[in-house]
Amino acid sequence: EAQVTQNPRYLITVTGKKLTVTCSQNMNHEYMSWYRQDPGLGLRQIYYSMNVEVTDKGDVPEGYKVSRKEKRNFPLILESPSPNQTSLYFCASSLTGLSYNEQFFGPGTRLTVL
Amino acid sequence: AQKITQTQPGMFVQEKEAVTLDCTYDTSDQSYGLFWYKQPSSGEMIFLIYQGSYDEQNATEGRYSLNFQKARKSANLVISASQLGDSAMYFCAMREGGISGGYQKVTFGTGTKLQVIP
Repeated sequence: EAQVTQNPRYLITVTGKKLTVTCSQNMNHEYMSWYRQDPGLGLRQIYYSMNVEVTDKGDVPEGYKVSRKEKRNFPLILESPSPNQTSLYFCASSLTGLSYNEQFFGPGTRLTVL
Repeated sequence: AQKITQTQPGMFVQEKEAVTLDCTYDTSDQSYGLFWYKQPSSGEMIFLIYQGSYDEQNATEGRYSLNFQKARKSANLVISASQLGDSAMYFCAMREGGISGGYQKVTFGTGTKLQVIP
């Protein structure tokens, strides 16, 4: 089954404790992206990757890191999480970054930082 | 300036009636794509419909259609014959950047929460 998977689905952590949210897709997509969703703000793009070893900042990259060493994986790293990073996170992928390609979303990761 | 604006935070519609969800966008690109996604209370994001900036016909997918008015920069979603299962959050999104592969970001609106009343 073609899908985007994220782990963990739920995470409660404390300020400053490094964490990684994994994202994997099995569709051989070139483009992958991370979003955070907050009430009243919609989805905001954190980072995106057009292909292996090619990443770029979205609209809200502060406090996050990403890497794209393999085509299928695009982990999101929070090196020192803070309470304002409490949010619902989505990973998404598309065949390419071209404007006509729809994105496929993972199930979401609900992160709480205490 | 907001690139995607959804001015209706919440809407109600009677079952079996049609409803229009508004979306306006702002871009200087000639090539862009507009997307609508549905997010039910379970949280997943479901792709509904796509409209390309060069498409002359309005996109349709089953009960969903997109009223694309390029000069007005609007891309409203029309849901015909609403069903109870249509109750959800709806997001409009824009993908800029053409074949030259320039600007690759994706921008979402703040969403409209639709509730279908029996």
